[in-house]
Amino acid sequence: RKEVEQDPGPFNVPEGATVAFNCTYSNSASQSFFWYRQDCRKEPKLLMSVYSSGNEDGRFTAQLNRASQYISLLIRDSKLSDSATYLCVAPTGGGNKLTFGTGTQLKVEL
Amino acid sequence: DTAVSQTPKYLVTQMGNDKSIKCEQNLGHDTMYWYKQDSKKFLKIMFSYNNKELIINETVPNRFSPKSPDKAHLNLHINSLELGDSAVYFCASSHSPFLTMSGQFFGPGTRLTVL
Repeated sequence: RKEVEQDPGPFNVPEGATVAFNCTYSNSASQSFFWYRQDCRKEPKLLMSVYSSGNEDGRFTAQLNRASQYISLLIRDSKLSDSATYLCVAPTGGGNKLTFGTGTQLKVEL
Repeated sequence: DTAVSQTPKYLVTQMGNDKSIKCEQNLGHDTMYWYKQDSKKFLKIMFSYNNKELIINETVPNRFSPKSPDKAHLNLHINSLELGDSAVYFCASSHSPFLTMSGQFFGPGTRLTVL
């Protein structure tokens, strides 16, 4: 299993839709995880962190399932501005290194 | 009030040249990183420094040499540039090397093109 694995997409959804991305990780000892957002030709930006069962911030909810070793990101009421690549990130290498997934591309359409 | 800054933003150079990229953070973080993002958008860590000490050194050609003069700066020097070095190089920083909830903060990237 890859250290961090994501469906690359693209996910094309209409404005207002709810969309969910999953990400699996291989290191069962990992404690906290992150979702980053990366716009085209820009740097990754921290969207959310999750370390227990989940975390919610407005329209965004991140959940962690340790038994199945996956994290998810749910976006409700999608906006055009949510169009971006969403990177799943897990600590590896004893916790002092972040391994990034290849990203899931989201396109929100009118 | 830029948090993590990099220079230059774009770098176009010939094969065989030597070039440097500079990074500075004003967040008061102890740890800084260099990442490479290739044409397939895969983001891979290259190096990490904690308070000027090298703590992560991935399998990177020794043509790449990082240098941290102080904990707010991390530079990357690349010798004998090759076509395959073309990529976007991101600098990042974090509070500490043990990444709990804080995550990492990225600079805007340096787009390197080797001709």
